Amino acid sequence: AQKVTQAQTEISVVEKEDVTLDCVYETRDTTYYLFWYKQPPSGELVFLIRRNSFDEQNEISGRYSWNFQKSTSSFNFTITASQVVDSAVYFCALSQTGANNLFFGTGTRLTVIP
Amino acid sequence: GAGVSQSPRYKVAKRGQDVALRCDPISGHVSLFWYQQALGQGPEFLTYFQNEAQLDKSGLPSDRFFAERPEGSVSTLKIQRTQQEDSAVYLCASSLAYQQGGNSPLHFGNGTRLTVT
Repeated sequence: AQKVTQAQTEISVVEKEDVTLDCVYETRDTTYYLFWYKQPPSGELVFLIRRNSFDEQNEISGRYSWNFQKSTSSFNFTITASQVVDSAVYFCALSQTGANNLFFGTGTRLTVIP
Repeated sequence: GAGVSQSPRYKVAKRGQDVALRCDPISGHVSLFWYQQALGQGPEFLTYFQNEAQLDKSGLPSDRFFAERPEGSVSTLKIQRTQQEDSAVYLCASSLAYQQGGNSPLHFGNGTRLTVT
């Protein structure tokens, strides 16, 4: 069974603060993919990153960074120097290799206060 | 732009009515997905098409839900005899890849918000 847990329902930070969004997943598969998507108020889901279960290297993209730890089944997402435009709901998702669908967490609503 | 387009943006239906939701994927995208997102929840998978073939419909909640993609491009999600529990945002996504494990991520539309009264 696949499960993604995002324990933080809502987070508020003041602009320029760093913030980390937690994601814990469960799967019996040895190979899988993990994703982060951003959902702004307009509603569409914007792809941020995909990570293969074989690749535990952390990744940095501008102000975004991701920490993947198989030992704790976590794939956390950090935004450095947050900006008002970062305000959105962020979803972590899991997919089996070769599967057709994504399993999403319940999302974390991030509000960045100017 | 050339993103995934969904229509209508909002739909209000009386309980028992049939509705049809349209998705125009990105041109050339092989894979098309429908997801249902209830208020305050993450999207949940409904069905998957590879070109015109519906390869997975395991997420459709009942036989009142039906999806088609007859020419391998535009897709329609139809809900018959709508119920209040069908109220949700219906998201369509497309991808160049044949499967989630491919190199092409999903591109989502803005969704159709369905409210059943």
